[in-house]
Amino acid sequence: QVQLQESGPGLVKPSQTLSLTCTVSGGSISSGSYYWSWIRQPAGKGLEWIGRIYTRGSTNYNPSLKSRVTISVDTSKNQFSLKLSSVTAADTAVYYCARAHSSGWGNWFDPWGQGTLVTVSS
Amino acid sequence: QSVLTQPPSVSGAPGQRVTISCTGSSSNIGAGYDVHWYQQLPGTAPKLLIYGNNNRPSGVPDRFSGSKSGTSASLAITGLQAEDEADYYCQSYDSSLSGSGFGTGTKVTVL
Repeated sequence: QVQLQESGPGLVKPSQTLSLTCTVSGGSISSGSYYWSWIRQPAGKGLEWIGRIYTRGSTNYNPSLKSRVTISVDTSKNQFSLKLSSVTAADTAVYYCARAHSSGWGNWFDPWGQGTLVTVSS
Repeated sequence: QSVLTQPPSVSGAPGQRVTISCTGSSSNIGAGYDVHWYQQLPGTAPKLLIYGNNNRPSGVPDRFSGSKSGTSASLAITGLQAEDEADYYCQSYDSSLSGSGFGTGTKVTVL
C-alpha cells in the first residue's frame, strides 16, 4: 500500500526557509484523484493544515500561512515538497505529509507520513 | 485558530460508551461538508478512524462510529478499551480556508 516519508533538516535558523520533502512509495503520485498535503503540529498542540497540491499543479494554502508557503510536486521522483519562508520559533512543530482523498463534500487524509520534527532556533 | 471545537477531555471506565462532540459553523459542517475523525496515539502520526461522517476504513473496529447533524458531529466509542486511550481530532472542509480545518482535539482517558 501507499506509504509516505518526510525528510529534511531538523533544525532551521530564524528568518530562513524551512524545506521538507515527502517521498511516496507503493504507488504513483500521479495516479488517482488525490491531493497531496502538508499538516503540522506544535508540541502538545493540535493539528494545523498548511496546504495541498494536486498533481496537475493546482495548490491551496492556509490563509494564515499563504504569504510564506510554497508546495510543489516532482512526479518524476514521486515526491512533493514544502517550503516555508521567514520562519520563527512559532513554526517549530512536527510536520506531516499526507494523501488527501476527495469527494464532493470535502476530503480526508490517509495515509500519513510518520512526521518529522523541525525546530526553529539559532 | 481551529475552526472546529471539541471538548478537551473525556473519560470512561473499560466497557463504557463515550462520545466526543465536534462543533462547527456555517462555513464547514453546517454547509454540508463531511466530517472525518482521526486517532493519535502518543508519539505517533494521526490515523484515519472515520471518513465521510460515518464510514470506517478497513481494520477499524466497529466500536467506533460517527454521526453528523446540523453544525455538529460526534464520535462514539462503545465498549471502551485501554488501547483507545489517545487524542482524537475531527476535520472538515472549511470554505473560509478553501481547505481543511481540524478540531481542537480531545484526549480520551480510560479510567
